[in-house]
Amino acid sequence: AQSVTQLDSQVPVFEEAPVELRCNYSSSVSVYLFWYVQYPNQGLQLLLKYLSGSTLVESINGFEAEFNKSQTSFHLRKPSVHISDTAEYFCAVKAWGSQGNLIFGKGTKLSVKP
Amino acid sequence: DTEVTQTPKHLVMGMTNKKSLKCEQHMGHRAMYWYKQKAKKPPELMFVYSYEKLSINESVPSRFSPECPNSSLLNLHLHALQPEDSALYLCASRGPGEGSPLHFGNGTRLTVT
Repeated sequence: AQSVTQLDSQVPVFEEAPVELRCNYSSSVSVYLFWYVQYPNQGLQLLLKYLSGSTLVESINGFEAEFNKSQTSFHLRKPSVHISDTAEYFCAVKAWGSQGNLIFGKGTKLSVKP
Repeated sequence: DTEVTQTPKHLVMGMTNKKSLKCEQHMGHRAMYWYKQKAKKPPELMFVYSYEKLSINESVPSRFSPECPNSSLLNLHLHALQPEDSALYLCASRGPGEGSPLHFGNGTRLTVT
């Protein structure tokens, strides 16, 4: 079985500051990793994903995440946040070769203050 | 804009009512999902359809009844709901390939009175 731990339920930061949202996972098999973002009153949107290959993955809006197999982590980073980045962020995993579905972390609320 | 469309956006219903939530996608995805999301919580999987057949039911009470009329449509029929069923109901679809991500709609905000 897989599990996902998002270590911070809330992360307040000031605009233009860097941010890191932490995600650790547990799995006995290899996994696919995802970050989703949910803005107020909306569904979840895929931010980025790690399937294989380069361990650093980037999104079009400046976020990046690095897969670290030894530390079983997939932390999300952005060097300079904007007010519009205020949202809930969910880390999720899916096991290779399984019919199973995404296992979500509990989410991290990023609040960007002016 | 989302490629998965859900209607209605908001729904208020009494405990004796019957209503339906609708979901539509035109990406050619053959896997479709219903999730329930309570405030400040991650989505919880309810049902999965694969090629129009129900493949996963996460022990959801029978007052929730899913239906997949064709590969583009997914319905969730509601009957005799309880106030604790109030939540955001999310539909999602997924393309082929193990690592394909879920594509979510914007959800239906359901309030049971």
